[in-house]
Amino acid sequence: KNEVEQSPQNLTAQEGEFITINCSYSVGISALHWLQQHPGGGIVSLFMLSSGKKKHGRLIATINIQEKHSSLHITASHPRDSAVYICAAISNTGNQFYFGTGTSLTVIP
Amino acid sequence: DTGVSQDPRHKITKRGQNVTFRCDPISEHNRLYWYRQTLGQGPEFLTYFQNEAQLEKSRLLSDRFSAERPKGSFSTLEIQRTEQGDSAMYLCASSPMGLAGEETQYFGPGTRLLVL
Repeated sequence: KNEVEQSPQNLTAQEGEFITINCSYSVGISALHWLQQHPGGGIVSLFMLSSGKKKHGRLIATINIQEKHSSLHITASHPRDSAVYICAAISNTGNQFYFGTGTSLTVIP
Repeated sequence: DTGVSQDPRHKITKRGQNVTFRCDPISEHNRLYWYRQTLGQGPEFLTYFQNEAQLEKSRLLSDRFSAERPKGSFSTLEIQRTEQGDSAMYLCASSPMGLAGEETQYFGPGTRLLVL
């Protein structure tokens, strides 16, 4: 069993839709990263959060430490949001990283 | 460009050969991480440096893998006696000093390895 589970694995949405990607983890963590990976392979760190909620543009990330769950929301989705979104949990020691397998998002115009 | 750079971007080798990859982090970043990503999977943590000290190694890092960061700046990852299962994208990331896990990581473009 993976320490980090993401859902859904694949997601197709119409442009403008509100999107939610979920991440659950089973280990004790100090923080959680949301990453975006485009087809060329480049990875961009979107958020790092250890509590509450963060917002950047149309992206919102939330985390519930008690429930060991985080969500990434995209409002007013756009085709350029099409990418793989990866959740990564950072252990309590700060040195061990556990990655989800990613959610492949396709936004159709 | 002051981002994380990796060299080479692509490497094709025959099984049994040794390969070495280089990562140049963002200059003021103390922490450097190596990951491996196979097709359709999320990245897997391999190892982590704080300055020149290698503080953590994943159990995925067999004795054929070795990483160094001799001067606390660039890092190399060497794979000896490559196997076909080593074919993957090798990603490097760096982050500034801070509470471990409390800083954003900046990823390089990766080195794609194909072992024939």
